[in-house]
Amino acid sequence: NAGVTQTPKFRVLKTGQSMTLLCAQDMNHEYMYWYRQDPGMGLRLIHYSVGEGTTAKGEVPDGYNVSRLKKQNFLLGLESAAPSQTSVYFCATRPTAATEAFFGQGTRLTVV
Amino acid sequence: SQQGEEDPQALSIQEGENATMNCSYKTSINNLQWYRQNSGRGLVHLILIRSNEREKHSGRLRVTLDTSKKSSSLLITASRAADTASYFCATVGGSYIPTFGRGTSLIVHP
Repeated sequence: NAGVTQTPKFRVLKTGQSMTLLCAQDMNHEYMYWYRQDPGMGLRLIHYSVGEGTTAKGEVPDGYNVSRLKKQNFLLGLESAAPSQTSVYFCATRPTAATEAFFGQGTRLTVV
Repeated sequence: SQQGEEDPQALSIQEGENATMNCSYKTSINNLQWYRQNSGRGLVHLILIRSNEREKHSGRLRVTLDTSKKSSSLLITASRAADTASYFCATVGGSYIPTFGRGTSLIVHP
């Protein structure tokens, strides 16, 4: 039982390159979230999903896209990376709407 | 924008002392949650307190909630060096989306 697994753990991108971050969970949770964490800013919600096939925008969605084709996977895409997207990205899941969240270990992304 | 705001931003204490962190928020909530984050790791859930609860305990942790003041506090009793971490509150309101504060960085000196 791995819980929430994020791939990759580290990545360096050049400005303009694209990449996809994968979040995989084996807990059969309905709700999945992508946050970014920057120094002094706490966690800010990028996009979220309330079930397979659904996605919605969070607080800071610009420059990112997501997909939830399978219940266990939530993908975060950067189509054209910018230095402002340098951050640590966390995926989180919840079984229902009002319960605690389970976090992955994070992906540290640097855009140069 | 963050819903919950933790105070203080940083806290440095000696092992054995108690650590108190506060969280203030602006709008009504369904529940409030506290998380711990060790350096370079993901967040780990500590305690969830619902809007109709006033206090909850879990081991050395005690959380209080005052909905009239829109505030919560996390007390860690008899702190240990291993408690060194950042602590975040997350509020869950009508949208059921957890909204996190900026966190309190706790350092416990051995």
